[in-house]
Amino acid sequence: DSGVTQTPKHLITATGQRVTLRCSPRSGDLSVYWYQQSLDQGLQFLIQYYNGEERAKGNILERFSAQQFPDLHSELNLSSLELGDSALYFCASGRDRVYNSPLHFGNGTRLTVT
Amino acid sequence: GESVGLHLPTLSVQEGDNSIINCAYSNSASDYFIWYKQESGKGPQFIIDIRSNMDKRQGQRVTVLLNKTVKHLSLQIAATQPGDSAVYFCAENIVANDYKLSFGAGTTVTVRA
Repeated sequence: DSGVTQTPKHLITATGQRVTLRCSPRSGDLSVYWYQQSLDQGLQFLIQYYNGEERAKGNILERFSAQQFPDLHSELNLSSLELGDSALYFCASGRDRVYNSPLHFGNGTRLTVT
Repeated sequence: GESVGLHLPTLSVQEGDNSIINCAYSNSASDYFIWYKQESGKGPQFIIDIRSNMDKRQGQRVTVLLNKTVKHLSLQIAATQPGDSAVYFCAENIVANDYKLSFGAGTTVTVRA
């Protein structure tokens, strides 16, 4: 068990809808990272938060947004969903800089858009 | 043992043999590298890391080798077990640019009994 909790485990929704994925980092970790994993694209970095502030953005669509709350949990919001958004979404957490504390991943949320 | 000279998406290994998984990383500025293991239905799990000032690091049954000249990373697993069946990813990071951990394409390892 990595200590990173993601909910829900599975999510099935229709095109055009909006969903929220939730992540609770490991105790003591201040950084939260979101990754998308699809069959043909591997693990793609979306966005990172550190202690409530956005620190870096990767290949995140404008339809997607995230935030990290004062209790350090994070939410990833996906809107105007398209079939191509179907994927596994992983949250990872770390204490501070990546090289000081390798990222630990949750077990992901599997999103299916129909 | 079995090994791949180039990165291949799949590797089949006899139980008890040694495995070698290769990874060609993309950014010559990367100076920190991690191997992750992902089992079916789970998130990536940290195995071992190495910094660019080293060329070899050993863990429990695993060894990571780094060749910066050719931007190549490998993971050696000794005495491969059925529980080693998984997808293995290498990931790279630029320490000065803390934020992003970039993942390579994974290698699916299947252990034959």
